[in-house]
Amino acid sequence: DTAVSQTPKYLVTQMGNDKSIKCEQNLGHDTMYWYKQDSKKFLKIMFSYNNKELIINETVPNRFSPKSPDKAHLNLHINSLELGDSAVYFCASSQVRAGGQETQYFGPGTRLLVL
Amino acid sequence: GDSVTQMEGPVTLSEEAFLTINCTYTATGYPSLFWYVQYPGEGLQLLLKATKADDKGSNKGFEATYRKETTSFHLEKGSVQVSDSAVYFCALLNQAGTALIFGKGTTLSVSS
Repeated sequence: DTAVSQTPKYLVTQMGNDKSIKCEQNLGHDTMYWYKQDSKKFLKIMFSYNNKELIINETVPNRFSPKSPDKAHLNLHINSLELGDSAVYFCASSQVRAGGQETQYFGPGTRLLVL
Repeated sequence: GDSVTQMEGPVTLSEEAFLTINCTYTATGYPSLFWYVQYPGEGLQLLLKATKADDKGSNKGFEATYRKETTSFHLEKGSVQVSDSAVYFCALLNQAGTALIFGKGTTLSVSS
């Protein structure tokens, strides 16, 4: 069974559209994340979220918003898509332990292409 | 702020060659350190990790030792295989525990 899953795997859309990417984890983790990987394969955190707190990377445009219907899901909604949003988006999850956060487990990624 | 620096790639090796990918970090305190691997067209997989100084992480023949004196976490493998061809990312967990900070990745290409 897939631990962290994302849908869709590929997403091609026009500039200006609004789209969502879904993420689900079946690991029972309490914290989920979104990362962006650019065309040079550089990975950067966008959001981290648990039941208590949403932490937003200050460089993320407010067109991006995470939405969590429940503990196992963290969806990424993007408004007014721009060409520069084309990237691979990775969801991840981890669990808080006494000593801190455990290892983050990543989904397979969603390849977004904005035309 | 926290940062991770990896050697620039691509690294091209013949099968059974010795691999080293250098990784150094800048951080407050002693963060947990990780190596992730991304095979072509796939997501990120945890390769190995170390949570405190002098710990050695190992998996699938790969090893890395947490060296606080040199703030390094170099990845090594004694004999690479064609199937090891991938992009390797060094990362640290930030002090707040809220995010992984990644290096820019090193592409490894192994030929038979």
